[in-house]
Amino acid sequence: EDQVTQSPEALRLQEGESSSLNCSYTVSGLRGLFWYRQDPGKGPEFLFTLYSAGEEKEKERLKATLTKKESFLHITAPKPEDSATYLCAVGWKGNEKLTFGTGTRLTIIP
Amino acid sequence: NAGVTQTPKFRVLKTGQSMTLLCAQDMNHEYMYWYRQDPGMGLRLIHYSVGEGTTAKGEVPDGYNVSRLKKQNFLLGLESAAPSQTSVYFCASRPNHRGGQETQYFGPGTRLLVL
Repeated sequence: EDQVTQSPEALRLQEGESSSLNCSYTVSGLRGLFWYRQDPGKGPEFLFTLYSAGEEKEKERLKATLTKKESFLHITAPKPEDSATYLCAVGWKGNEKLTFGTGTRLTIIP
Repeated sequence: NAGVTQTPKFRVLKTGQSMTLLCAQDMNHEYMYWYRQDPGMGLRLIHYSVGEGTTAKGEVPDGYNVSRLKKQNFLLGLESAAPSQTSVYFCASRPNHRGGQETQYFGPGTRLLVL
């Protein structure tokens, strides 16, 4: 069964303290891995799409990487405005469905 | 561009009542989706559409119906609401590009409470 697992469930960091969020998957035939940010009461906001192992993408303080079994979302010197829930989703070949993880709730303390 | 919009933002229903949630997108996207989000669970796909006049079942379709009469609109209907349908509903859309899984863009959500 295709699964997506995110860890940790919650993470509290001091402002400026760098860390990484993990998304592991067991999808066969990956078509794409997606990272979204979701603020309370709002819809998921697109961050990155990764298609193949070894691929990396960056945006401001965030960097996403992909291997054959997992993806990392690295956050460097985070600020309080980076506080949100970060969602990972995986799509695979032959299926229109995206499988979402349950998210990591990130809190940055000033 | 407004992107993906959803109406209403919030609704309270009594068990057995019916309602329709509207999703509209102005990006000329071919694909549209309806998801529900519940605490402790990932977003789950209810129904989707690959183009005007088409619909298909997702992961949790029971109790819902959909229609895509116009390319820009995707409607989600609840014929007889049940408390188990209390959730936050998100609509998403994406373009139809060959090769790879294209990014889905989400609306702001509709919070539904069924009493």
